[in-house]
Amino acid sequence: AQKVTQAQTEISVVEKEDVTLDCVYETRDTTYYLFWYKQPPSGELVFLIRRNSFDEQNEISGRYSWNFQKSTSSFNFTITASQVVDSAVYFCALSDLHGSSNTGKLIFGQGTTLQVKP
Amino acid sequence: DGGITQSPKYLFRKEGQNVTLSCEQNLNHDAMYWYRQDPGQGLRLIYYSQIVNDFQKGDIAEGYSVSREKKESFPLTVTSAQKNPTAFYLCASSIDRKPQHFGDGTRLSIL
Repeated sequence: AQKVTQAQTEISVVEKEDVTLDCVYETRDTTYYLFWYKQPPSGELVFLIRRNSFDEQNEISGRYSWNFQKSTSSFNFTITASQVVDSAVYFCALSDLHGSSNTGKLIFGQGTTLQVKP
Repeated sequence: DGGITQSPKYLFRKEGQNVTLSCEQNLNHDAMYWYRQDPGQGLRLIYYSQIVNDFQKGDIAEGYSVSREKKESFPLTVTSAQKNPTAFYLCASSIDRKPQHFGDGTRLSIL
């Protein structure tokens, strides 16, 4: 069975602190995608990143960086120098790419609520 | 601008009533999805459709129904059989295994 676990329910930091959001996944598939989405208070989900299971390179985009490690089945997300606008719920998700049955379905973690205080 | 439009933003249901949530996209995406979000929980898949006139049940389809008569539309009906319908409902679409785009959601409550 596929599963995504975000053990941190809520995190509170002060502005300019760095913060890492953890994501651990389970899948029997050898090919899959991992995602991070942001959900601001307005409710919509905003896509942040997609990572292919074959690509373990870390990625940096401005203040955001992602650390993908297949050996530990983790895909952690770090925000450097956090800002109040980063306050949101962040979801990690897994998508199957299983042969002809690929449906693009997303399996979501429970989400981590990040509060950045001024 | 292309995107996904969900309506209404807020919806109230009376006991024994069916209600329909609208989801329209002008992104020309083939696949569309409905998710349910409960407080403090992740999103769970209700139904999905990869092509017109075809759809499949997700993980929590009981008490819900959908149709896909047009590529751009994927309405979700919450039937009276759904005993705990209060939740935030999100519609999404995608194409060619690209990341899903999400609408702004509909918040459904019981009167």
